[in-house]
Formats: sequence, structure tokens, C-alpha cells
Amino acid sequence: NAGVMQNPRHLVRRRGQEARLRCSPMKGHSHVYWYRQLPEEGLKFMVYLQKENIIDESGMPKERFSAEFPKEGPSILRIQQVVRGDSAAYFCASSPETGTGYTFGSGTRLTVV
Amino acid sequence: EDKVVQSPLSLVVHEGDTVTLNCSYEVTNFRSLLWYKQEKKAPTFLFMLTSSGIEKKSGRLSSILDKKELFSILNITATQTGDSAIYLCAVDNYGQNFVFGPGTRLSVLP
Repeated sequence: NAGVMQNPRHLVRRRGQEARLRCSPMKGHSHVYWYRQLPEEGLKFMVYLQKENIIDESGMPKERFSAEFPKEGPSILRIQQVVRGDSAAYFCASSPETGTGYTFGSGTRLTVV
Repeated sequence: EDKVVQSPLSLVVHEGDTVTLNCSYEVTNFRSLLWYKQEKKAPTFLFMLTSSGIEKKSGRLSSILDKKELFSILNITATQTGDSAIYLCAVDNYGQNFVFGPGTRLSVLP
């Protein structure tokens, strides 16, 4: 059981480029959560997805950010036209059902230069 | 292999009890250790520890780090039912990744 896999671990983008972060949940988990961690701060909820559905995107910025969890393949967090303020660690967690045992990935550190 | 181990994995206590949650780690390049309280969809940040022996306190919660023995404890005194949650320990592995422990599920009974 490989756990929650996130890639890449590190991503460097120039301002204005697109960033794509991938998250493969644990086997048997159908719920995926994305979080952002800014330096010296806690995890901020961004979005909660089930297969092919966005359940709660209340933490997502209104513009430039989108997420999907297709029927096949990993969940993708996409940030378009990145800005310096997007630099952060982005975490993904998965669970078999809501509120029962989250497993976190090791994160993707995004640096915008 | 980098890893974070938490114990116990599950704990049931009664209101008013004091609990101690444990977190031990083995990572390549330690930068800091973080404690979170996981309720519903978003973990709540509790503490970040970087130096050994300095206790951090917030109300009934306190935490301390031992970098020599590679562990941290989270204490909760006079527990309340609202303390019921999963408590996560994570280590920032400098410049590489974060490593999360499996969490301790705390249930506080009235």
C-alpha cells in the first residue's frame, strides 16, 4: 500500500505559468482533500472531491485555481497564471469516507519565481 | 526511510482526565515538528516546535520537543468532549517533504 502519492515534490514556476499538482489517493479511498500551507501557518482547506465530483470548494480562490478528480487517474490541482503569493506547500489527503481517517501525502512545494 | 510514529493510535478517556499523546520521528533533515487537531475537513494548527526543551502552551494544551531522543509529546489537561478529534503530528523534513504520522484518535466521554 503506497499511501497517498503526490508529485512532483518540488515545482518551480515563473510568474504567469501554470502549475499542475497531482495526487493519487490510497487504494480504496474515494475522497480527496487539498490543503495549502503557507510558511509558519497551518493547513488551509481548499477543496474536497469525490470521483468526478467537487463536493466542497469553499476554500478555493475564486480565480486561477481549479481541481478535478476524474474517474480514472489522480486528482489534479491546477493553478493558472501563478503569482509569487501562490508559493506554498500543497497537501493532499484521502479518506475512504468522510471524517474517518485521513491519510496525508508528503506535499508538493511550489515556488514561484 | 523517513517516518513519523504516533502512539497510541486510539484513546478513550473521560472528561477531566489528562492525556499525553506521543510522536516519534526519523527524518533526514529535521526542520520543525507540527501538531494539528483534525476535525471534519480541515486540520487546526496547534503548535510548531523547532527547539528542544521549550514547552509551548495554549490553554489546556501544551507540547514539548526532544531533538536528542527524536520525539514530542502533546498534553491535554482537564479534557472536554470538544477535545475529541484526531491529533496529527507532522515533521517538516527541511527542503524535502513533510512526513505525517497516522494520527491519534482521541475520544473524550462525558
